[in-house]
Amino acid sequence: SAVISQKPSRDICQRGTSLTIQCQVDSQVTMMFWYRQQPGQSLTLIATANQGSEATYESGFVIDKFPISRPNLTFSTLTVSNMSPEDSSIYLCSVEGLSYGYTFGSGTRLTVV
Amino acid sequence: AQSVAQPEDQVNVAEGNPLTVKCTYSVSGNPYLFWYVQYPNRGLQFLLKYITGDNLVKGSYGFEAEFNKSQTSFHLKKPSALVSDSALYFCAVREDDYKLSFGAGTTVTVRA
Repeated sequence: SAVISQKPSRDICQRGTSLTIQCQVDSQVTMMFWYRQQPGQSLTLIATANQGSEATYESGFVIDKFPISRPNLTFSTLTVSNMSPEDSSIYLCSVEGLSYGYTFGSGTRLTVV
Repeated sequence: AQSVAQPEDQVNVAEGNPLTVKCTYSVSGNPYLFWYVQYPNRGLQFLLKYITGDNLVKGSYGFEAEFNKSQTSFHLKKPSALVSDSALYFCAVREDDYKLSFGAGTTVTVRA
């Protein structure tokens, strides 16, 4: 199965600033996904990132707030822009893997103060 | 759209007793179903999946799940729970566009 390295593991940020989260995969993958997990909640998909095309955002999430880059088949970034305390969550990236189960990064725990 | 539901927010069992975490699904066509576990301050760990084939699926850490088409269920089971099984469990279904849709999660507490 794929192995994902996600950075940073946690951060405390000031409101109004931005944070970029990185995910590096040890193999080439077509589809990468970005999720948000608010405290005590389930995972909500933010967007799907395919290499060579713009990310596809789910309802309630917009590119200006959560810009995503996917420069190649092993790397993606998610930026949380103009942060507010409501953005405090765990953010996770994931790659498709039907044969071995989708793999998730270890998550980025973001606290906005 | 495909969806899964986890009817129980919490499950409490004594160590050594059987553990069951319930999941029901609503899909059109053949479902691709998954179970994940999340330990505190950790990412999601894959337990098992059902794609096709045998209705009883065996996974990691002694867990298994039974796919029941007539009841549209995919319950997670472990014959003898351990205190270390205490965690948050998620059922998930793959949607037509390959993304996963998750249930609300079930917190499992295994008491010694």
